[in-house]
Amino acid sequence: QQQVKQSPQSLIVQKGGISIINCAYENTAFDYFPWYQQFPGKGPALLIAIRPDVSEKKEGRFTISFNKSAKQFSLHIMDSQPGDSATYFCAASIDSGTYKYIFGTGTRLKVLA
Amino acid sequence: DAMVIQNPRYQVTQFGKPVTLSCSQTLNHNVMYWYQQKSSQAPKLLFHYYDKDFNNEADTPDNFQSRRPNTSFCFLDIRSPGLGDAAMYLCATRELSGSKNIQYFGAGTRLSVL
Repeated sequence: QQQVKQSPQSLIVQKGGISIINCAYENTAFDYFPWYQQFPGKGPALLIAIRPDVSEKKEGRFTISFNKSAKQFSLHIMDSQPGDSATYFCAASIDSGTYKYIFGTGTRLKVLA
Repeated sequence: DAMVIQNPRYQVTQFGKPVTLSCSQTLNHNVMYWYQQKSSQAPKLLFHYYDKDFNNEADTPDNFQSRRPNTSFCFLDIRSPGLGDAAMYLCATRELSGSKNIQYFGAGTRLSVL
């Protein structure tokens, strides 16, 4: 119940295309869903996050779509750029208590120039 | 400027030889986390400090210990590293107050065990 399943494991997209990464969770107590971006040799950095009271959140080229009934959420990267090439992790958390993150297994994105 | 700093970036140790990884932060955050991340896997929480209160994950091996002498510093001690402990170790911090549930990560320490 504590798992967050992430797919695909790797993704190759042409420059200007749309990158889509999906995550699914089981624990309905989760109420905070961040996405982290990790470049080689760097620690993960928060990209965008959503709470389940909204179905979509957009920040620039990055959009989270959230489907509470299906217990799924996804990251869309519009107009993907080579600089977006990184590993992306979704996570889920209960927004109280220890605030622990449960991470997905990561998606390695490569955007071709 | 880096806000969560991990040292060293790369650490090589021998099987069974104790090793200490360090993490410092300039954010003055009350909460600090240690994660283990193996290749192509999700970061796995080992333990965290809620101010001075230590919280161990149920499945964290006894081989892993931690110390937090003050708000800025946190150490991960591996008492007798095994080959299976080779991994990236990530430190993260979070602000205790407010509604922001954002964790700030360091660049990690990659541990090799020979």
